Amino acid sequence: GDSVTQMEGPVTLSEEAFLTINCTYTATGYPSLFWYVQYPGEGLQLLLKATKADDKGSNKGFEATYRKETTSFHLEKGSVQVSDSAVYFCALSSTDSWGKLQFGAGTQVVVTP
Amino acid sequence: DTAVSQTPKYLVTQMGNDKSIKCEQNLGHDTMYWYKQDSKKFLKIMFSYNNKELIINETVPNRFSPKSPDKAHLNLHINSLELGDSAVYFCASSQVARAEAFFGQGTRLTVV
Repeated sequence: GDSVTQMEGPVTLSEEAFLTINCTYTATGYPSLFWYVQYPGEGLQLLLKATKADDKGSNKGFEATYRKETTSFHLEKGSVQVSDSAVYFCALSSTDSWGKLQFGAGTQVVVTP
Repeated sequence: DTAVSQTPKYLVTQMGNDKSIKCEQNLGHDTMYWYKQDSKKFLKIMFSYNNKELIINETVPNRFSPKSPDKAHLNLHINSLELGDSAVYFCASSQVARAEAFFGQGTRLTVV
């Protein structure tokens, strides 16, 4: 079945540091890939998405590229802020899954001043 | 305007009780979902409805019964609550399969 593996947290960074969160997936066909963010005490917000190989999703300084050859969708940001502290979830939706999202375990990111 | 809203935000109840969580979306989407987030933040789908029809029913105890009176609403009723049901329950909606899902703020259910 489909699965998503992302790096364990917490990831602790200083402000303005470079952030990478690794995400790899297993799926049949060509899934859509997503990064969601959950700020403390809040629901999930879509951060970015990519629907086909080599697509790059970007939003709020975050980027991720759909790499089919390595089945990866790593999240990057060049300079993090304290306000980026949150839990980040990688997720996929397969072609025959009626939009069902398969989530990774989530990675907590803590950015210190 | 809130896109996906669910009520209540917090729910504390005793074991054995029956409770409901309501969800409404004003996005005009045709598919709605319930997800459960456990204490370790892991998210797993429970149910999905498309145009009021149940299309996904993951391995969920029969005590959980979703109901969709129309495509803008998806409620979750839980009978005979157990301690293990304590979690955050998220409602979500999407327009078509593979499109992004929009999530509600969650309902934190605590069973004591």
